[in-house]
Amino acid sequence: DVKVTQSSRYLVKRTGEKVFLECVQDMDHENMFWYRQDPGLGLRLIYFSYDVKMKEKGDIPEGYSVSREKKERFSLILESASTNQTSMYLCASSPPGGLKNIQYFGAGTRLSVL
Amino acid sequence: ELKVEQNPLFLSMQEGKNYTIYCNYSTTSDRLYWYRQDPGKSLESLFVLLSNGAVKQEGRLMASLDTKARLSTLHITAAVHDLSATYFCAVDPIYTGTASKLTFGTGTRLQVTL
Repeated sequence: DVKVTQSSRYLVKRTGEKVFLECVQDMDHENMFWYRQDPGLGLRLIYFSYDVKMKEKGDIPEGYSVSREKKERFSLILESASTNQTSMYLCASSPPGGLKNIQYFGAGTRLSVL
Repeated sequence: ELKVEQNPLFLSMQEGKNYTIYCNYSTTSDRLYWYRQDPGKSLESLFVLLSNGAVKQEGRLMASLDTKARLSTLHITAAVHDLSATYFCAVDPIYTGTASKLTFGTGTRLQVTL
């Protein structure tokens, strides 16, 4: 089974702190994604990566950056956390190309910024 | 900008009843995904619909895709309590052969009551 592991289920941070959210997948997938999930808005793509050291902006990249130094690990960074970044963050991975291209999700990190 | 709309946003139904969740999207696509999310859990892939007229069934759930109408439906037959969850549709507007950049609907929270 594909396993996508997010390092924390819950995080509480203060405004202005630098926050790191970590995601690790064990299926050698090329593609990895970061979403945020908010009630009534569904999932919105923040950044994705299709290879080590490669990244592309999603629909809402402002206030976020990412790092992919190793294939299995994709980090989301909040340089200076703000209260409007309080949300559920979901990481996903998918294999390269292929007809189905299903994304596999982690359990999520619920971040509260006070 | 691609928009994906689901309705209803919330559905309370009795066990044994039938109902349909609708997913409309605003741009040409022939790849649509349905996911399920249980409270506090990650998203789990249910169906992948890859062409006009595609129909997939698993147990009491059946999904279909009409690319001309830009509409997918998720039909629930004789609902049971175990189907209570939030259901998301997601559209892949541009298949590049690498990373699918999915746009998600807002989700439909289904509650099946006894």
